[in-house]
Amino acid sequence: DTEVTQTPKHLVMGMTNKKSLKCEQHMGHRAMYWYKQKAKKPPELMFVYSYEKLSINESVPSRFSPECPNSSLLNLHLHALQPEDSALYLCASSSGQNYGYTFGSGTRLTVV
Amino acid sequence: GIQVEQSPPDLILQEGANSTLRCNFSDSVNNLQWFHQNPWGQLINLFYIPSGTKQNGRLSATTVATERYSLLYISSSQTTDSGVYFCAVEQGSGGGADGLTFGKGTHLIIQP
Repeated sequence: DTEVTQTPKHLVMGMTNKKSLKCEQHMGHRAMYWYKQKAKKPPELMFVYSYEKLSINESVPSRFSPECPNSSLLNLHLHALQPEDSALYLCASSSGQNYGYTFGSGTRLTVV
Repeated sequence: GIQVEQSPPDLILQEGANSTLRCNFSDSVNNLQWFHQNPWGQLINLFYIPSGTKQNGRLSATTVATERYSLLYISSSQTTDSGVYFCAVEQGSGGGADGLTFGKGTHLIIQP
């Protein structure tokens, strides 16, 4: 299995809702990441997990809460989002060796 | 942080043409990847190439780490090559602990 799987593919949520994005990989990669991509912009790093521990938080608002339950799973919990948080959320994983990063197909989030 | 500059920002070509995309980066890196993002948002890894030259079918890439630039060559373009091409780099000690920093991308349109 050489894929990173993200669910759901699309999500519409209200500003008072709580929802979660899920990411899964079975490649044995030790590092996992959340990126946010606005329309016509490059992906921007949000969080890095290394060996299931949060190692980088790029000053992301607390309404985004990451979680790494085990080495294969990465969640992003969403609460009280704003319309400007609407974006494509990408998950990635890396073995930390000479193979680079693998990205999932993303969750397209719309906050109404 | 590191700066990643891609050129040109936009490129329109006829089917069958060849093209060269450039990525300049401002500091030494331990990882450089080229990605193709399709219209559905999927980031497809084209090359992991922190140095040297690689080829994969009609695509090839060269990174000259000492001069801090990388080139992506696309030959005999097809309409399916359309999309955004991103260069992304990682600094630090390696191992995937720092996350990738993306350039702004080159938007390529191949016309039939």
